[in-house]
Amino acid sequence: SQQGEEDPQALSIQEGENATMNCSYKTSINNLQWYRQNSGRGLVHLILIRSNEREKHSGRLRVTLDTSKKSSSLLITASRAADTASYFCATAGRAGGTSYGKLTFGQGTILTVHP
Amino acid sequence: EPEVTQTPSHQVTQMGQEVILRCVPISNHLYFYWYRQILGQKVEFLVSFYNNEISEKSEIFDDQFSVERPDGSNFTLKIRSTKLEDSAMYFCASGSWEGNTIYFGEGSWLTVV
Repeated sequence: SQQGEEDPQALSIQEGENATMNCSYKTSINNLQWYRQNSGRGLVHLILIRSNEREKHSGRLRVTLDTSKKSSSLLITASRAADTASYFCATAGRAGGTSYGKLTFGQGTILTVHP
Repeated sequence: EPEVTQTPSHQVTQMGQEVILRCVPISNHLYFYWYRQILGQKVEFLVSFYNNEISEKSEIFDDQFSVERPDGSNFTLKIRSTKLEDSAMYFCASGSWEGNTIYFGEGSWLTVV
């Protein structure tokens, strides 16, 4: 898989259920960021997790990072219809490297939450 | 909450024409970026800009592209001679320091006909 690959590609759930999206990457990272994009709109930053962190929470969001497996997961609890969007992970390279600060995005997971 | 603003939101241009996309990054940010997203594809890095110079660019960012920070607030992307394959959503982004959150604007839809 390529840097920042999410799975599943599409996820369809009922309101109130939890949604879990996964992301895998290949190279060493400084941090990993999750973004949401509503159709045809901009990228909304959700959460950043650094390479020395294992888990972070923000409201109904929980992100985990396993650097040994080069993977991350985004959990949205008690989903709402308004959570319907595409979700992307993006990795930022390590300090001192030429890719530091530049984000590499995955293809994204399309989440549909049915009312 | 501070935000990155982009203009225009939509632009249709004829092939071969020059296009300038404008961005106002978040005011205390020092790192600026352009990304693009071709319809249905990944968001792709184009260029990063720090201290009034390009710090990194992708292979997409060829000689037809240029960036400028003409004053203390604007950050522009110029495409000198547009091609059909330049049709995409172009996102401006900014960050306060390296390794921190990068905030994106709403994007500028460019359609080259």
